[in-house]
Amino acid sequence: EVQLVESGGGLVQPGRSLRLSCAASGFTFDDYAMHWVRQAPGKGLEWVSGISWNSGSIGYADSVKGRFTISRDNAKNSLYLQMNSLRAEDTALYYCAKDVRYYYGSGSYNYWGQGTLVTVSS
Amino acid sequence: QSVLTQPPSASGTPGQRVTISCSGSSSNIGSNTVNWYQQLPGTAPKLLIYSNNQRPSGVPDRFSGSKSGTSASLAISGLQSEDEADYYCAAWDDSLNGPWFGGGTKLTVL
Repeated sequence: EVQLVESGGGLVQPGRSLRLSCAASGFTFDDYAMHWVRQAPGKGLEWVSGISWNSGSIGYADSVKGRFTISRDNAKNSLYLQMNSLRAEDTALYYCAKDVRYYYGSGSYNYWGQGTLVTVSS
Repeated sequence: QSVLTQPPSASGTPGQRVTISCSGSSSNIGSNTVNWYQQLPGTAPKLLIYSNNQRPSGVPDRFSGSKSGTSASLAISGLQSEDEADYYCAAWDDSLNGPWFGGGTKLTVL
């Protein structure tokens, strides 16, 4: 059974940093691209960042470019999101999602975690 | 504001057929495949349709997708109360070099 379990969320002050993690199991992790998608309270889905199977291709939404860094450790079946210079508008539930393909450009995510909540507030 | 436009709401009665539209442009729907997601209240999104019209295993054939030019549609036939959810379209955008979600459509089963 495929499982994606996010962790690392919490309450953080504006300008500070936070690192999210996603532990994957139930599939061959290094065969697939992975993504972070967020959802602000009461709002729609927003793609944040994606990384190909071998970390060779990485992409970011304009809203987080230069502040967030995605990475993966295939030996540990884990995905990460380092979030720096956090802003109030980054407040959201952050989902880890598995791509159906090895490259991150498909837009098709067939498994999602339950999300970890990040709240940016003073 | 999303680059993919969906109606904010849709509704139907049990047994009815409803469609949800998703309008884009040549840089997204016009040149890439469309995916649809269902998000039941309080849960994570679920892939409903991929590659315009393909259903992942386990998705009932009541759900179908189509694409024409720069628009796509999700159709739900034999509407059931458990279909009440938010539905999102998604497609890669070549200009933005990233995948984009539509704003979402809240489906109400009357």
